[in-house]
Amino acid sequence: QVQLRESGPGLVKTSETLSLTCNVSGGSLSSHYWSWIRQSPGGGLEWLGYIYYSGSTNYNPSFESRLTISLDTSKNQFSLKLSSVTAADTALYYCARGFSRLDYGMDVWGQGTTVTVSS
Amino acid sequence: AIRMTQSPSSFSASIGDRVTITCRASQGISSYLAWYQQKPGKSPKLLVTAASTLQSGVPSRFSGSGSGTDFSLTISCLQSDDFATYYCQQYYDYPRTFGQGTRVEI
Repeated sequence: QVQLRESGPGLVKTSETLSLTCNVSGGSLSSHYWSWIRQSPGGGLEWLGYIYYSGSTNYNPSFESRLTISLDTSKNQFSLKLSSVTAADTALYYCARGFSRLDYGMDVWGQGTTVTVSS
Repeated sequence: AIRMTQSPSSFSASIGDRVTITCRASQGISSYLAWYQQKPGKSPKLLVTAASTLQSGVPSRFSGSGSGTDFSLTISCLQSDDFATYYCQQYYDYPRTFGQGTRVEI
């Protein structure tokens, strides 16, 4: 049973870089798409981007200029870096796996980690 | 980006009710649609893919339908465990986008 767990600082200062890691247990990164999604305090879900196990990425244009998603296969984890954060980046951040080795929905989610951006 | 619009945003229902949530895409997405259920304090749970294919373990009282721009999720006989927020998501194009959610309340 694959499980995902997000980790990282819960508080980030305005204009700095938000860094989160998603640890994958019970399975490998191979042959799957791995995404980051966030949920604003108001409740809406927003897809940030994915990384494929090969290392290819696809980012939401709304974040492309300040977003980097990377893989560390040796640690079976993938990471998100979002630079120049503002209060608007305050959210619950989830990592998730693409369903059925495709990016056709997300069938495994982490429990989420709350990030607050404040000066 | 493809805009997904759900209706209603929230509504009240009773145990045993038949409820239908609708989702409309701003352009045709064929059947590239997923539905999720989210309970308070929990991560979203994938219920349906390809607009109408139930995930393993999802009760048969749930059903999805639609193609093109108009979709629906129906719960045939609402149970206490079904009170939650439901989201649709298109995977026809990037960026992936979600509806704003429909909260089903008692």
